[in-house]
Amino acid sequence: GENVEQHPSTLSVQEGDSAVIKCTYSDSASNYFPWYKQELGKRPQLIIDIRSNVGEKKDQRIAVTLNKTAKHFSLHITETQPEDSAVYFCAARPNMEYGNKLVFGAGTILRVKS
Amino acid sequence: GAVVSQHPSRVICKSGTSVKIECRSLDFQATTMFWYRQFPKQSLMLMATSNEGSKATYEQGVEKDKFLINHASLTLSTLTVTSAHPEDSSFYICSAGGGTKQYFGPGTRLTVL
Repeated sequence: GENVEQHPSTLSVQEGDSAVIKCTYSDSASNYFPWYKQELGKRPQLIIDIRSNVGEKKDQRIAVTLNKTAKHFSLHITETQPEDSAVYFCAARPNMEYGNKLVFGAGTILRVKS
Repeated sequence: GAVVSQHPSRVICKSGTSVKIECRSLDFQATTMFWYRQFPKQSLMLMATSNEGSKATYEQGVEKDKFLINHASLTLSTLTVTSAHPEDSSFYICSAGGGTKQYFGPGTRLTVL
């Protein structure tokens, strides 16, 4: 089945700097890759997603890039702010045989220091 | 995004009792809902896929008789933890799909004494 690896497990950046989180996946048939932000004790919030027919997507300070050949995708946060501090999870949706379920990475704790 | 609610948000129970958790999609119909379990500082572990009008599909290693799932309508799925024990203490989160995207409920913190 699909396996998603996420790096780094923790990331500390200075306010205003950029943060990059990377994920790799194993199933070349995976076609949808969302990113979720989870604050302590709260629900994961969908912040951006990308489909396999697109290489890059941007939404204000957040962008996601996808390299299908290498089977990896990355989250880029520019001009980080203290409120960006949270746990970020990447996910991949395997082929339709698995229905609509997602396989999650282990998560990255992002700390933005002011 | 779509709105998913979950009830209760927190429950404390004695060992051996059963606990029911509700997941509702408030502004859309969800033929499929998902139940996850999350331990502190860990990722989301999919427990089962809840299908409206049919049996749930459980992930490997998840006991279907322990974690009963009922998806009786297009807006409601329930997870019942039967004969709960302290090792069942965890954060349980549901999600519902609106097309491709999945939206999560606020989660239920279960503590079994």
